[in-house]
Amino acid sequence: DTAVSQTPKYLVTQMGNDKSIKCEQNLGHDTMYWYKQDSKKFLKIMFSYNNKELIINETVPNRFSPKSPDKAHLNLHINSLELGDSAVYFCASSEGLTQETQYFGPGTRLLVL
Amino acid sequence: QKEVEQDPGPLSVPEGAIVSLNCTYSNSAFQYFMWYRQYSRKGPELLMYTYSSGNKEDGRFTAQVDKSSKYISLFIRDSQPSDSATYLCAMTGTNTPLVFGKGTRLSVIA
Repeated sequence: DTAVSQTPKYLVTQMGNDKSIKCEQNLGHDTMYWYKQDSKKFLKIMFSYNNKELIINETVPNRFSPKSPDKAHLNLHINSLELGDSAVYFCASSEGLTQETQYFGPGTRLLVL
Repeated sequence: QKEVEQDPGPLSVPEGAIVSLNCTYSNSAFQYFMWYRQYSRKGPELLMYTYSSGNKEDGRFTAQVDKSSKYISLFIRDSQPSDSATYLCAMTGTNTPLVFGKGTRLSVIA
């Protein structure tokens, strides 16, 4: 069974559209994260939720809105997509508030045309 | 100065070589130091995790942390073609979000 799963794996869309990426973890972890990995492979944290509550919110445009319906799911909704949003988005989870041991999903490749 | 510096490579070595990967950092608040391995088109996977200064060994992998120099290393002994991947250092501390290095791309040639 996949520990951290994301859907979709690939997403190609036009500028200005709104899209969502879903993430689920079956590890029983309390904390989930969204990361963005740009074309230069730099991995940067965007958001973190602990037990459905937002605990980390880095400098990210407010077009990006995370939603956590329960502690096993963390979705990312992006409004008015821009070319610069093209990247690979990774979801991750960890036990409690410890950030040291995170388990990553396979990533969602987003291409905005 | 960037918070975490890591040479992006690429680094190419023959099979069986000892590989040395390293990162430097500037934030004294970092206490936990990790190495992740990322294969092409996959998510990062945790390889090693070290708290504060010292060494940690796991099979062919050894992680070293020197907090006085703000320098961490990952050594891979008897490198294999399957070790070919991008290696990312990462670090965090109390109330400090996890910060990744840019990753070093390693190729082990058979």
